Amino acid sequence: EDKVVQSPLSLVVHEGDTVTLNCSYEVTNFRSLLWYKQEKKAPTFLFMLTSSGIEKKSGRLSSILDKKELFSILNITATQTGDSAIYLCAGGNSGGSNYKLTFGKGTLLTVNP
Amino acid sequence: DAGVIQSPRHEVTEMGQEVTLRCKPISGHNSLFWYRQTMMRGLELLIYFNNNVPIDDSGMPEDRFSAKMPNASFSTLKIQPSEPRDSAVYFCASSLFGGNEQYFGPGTRLTVT
Repeated sequence: EDKVVQSPLSLVVHEGDTVTLNCSYEVTNFRSLLWYKQEKKAPTFLFMLTSSGIEKKSGRLSSILDKKELFSILNITATQTGDSAIYLCAGGNSGGSNYKLTFGKGTLLTVNP
Repeated sequence: DAGVIQSPRHEVTEMGQEVTLRCKPISGHNSLFWYRQTMMRGLELLIYFNNNVPIDDSGMPEDRFSAKMPNASFSTLKIQPSEPRDSAVYFCASSLFGGNEQYFGPGTRLTVT
């Protein structure tokens, strides 16, 4: 059975701090690793990574994938209170007509002023 | 684009009643996914469709749950009869076939008393 594990489960920081969120995966026919941000509503897409060692960046957020160690990290620099959310990691597979995501339980990030 | 549309946004019902949740995927997307999210179990995939055909319903918890996709722009998830343990947020997501990047609707918060 496919599995995605995120750590830590929760994290409290102060504005301006840098945080690193971790995601390990075991996904059959792995193809991609995705990060989502969930505030008090639906998950919104952040990044999709398919190749090892290539960093993806969007403003203060960046992510990288290690397909050898089956691991990804999401970095947020100079955190702001608006970064407070649950961050979800998902492993995507491919195989025939099967393209589904397996989600981790998420990391709850709280950024205090 | 309007994004994925779900209705209703909130549903409160009594145990034993039938509940129908509705979803309209992003125009042009031909894969549709139904998820359930709870604090205990996180985000779980219930069923997904490719080109209106159910591909994997192994996540559907019981025979009380059923889903249909009569055409490319509409899907329903039905629970009959509902039970208190079905209380959760139900998300619909869509993607292009063969792509792992899924876009989520706003969700339906279901409360069964």
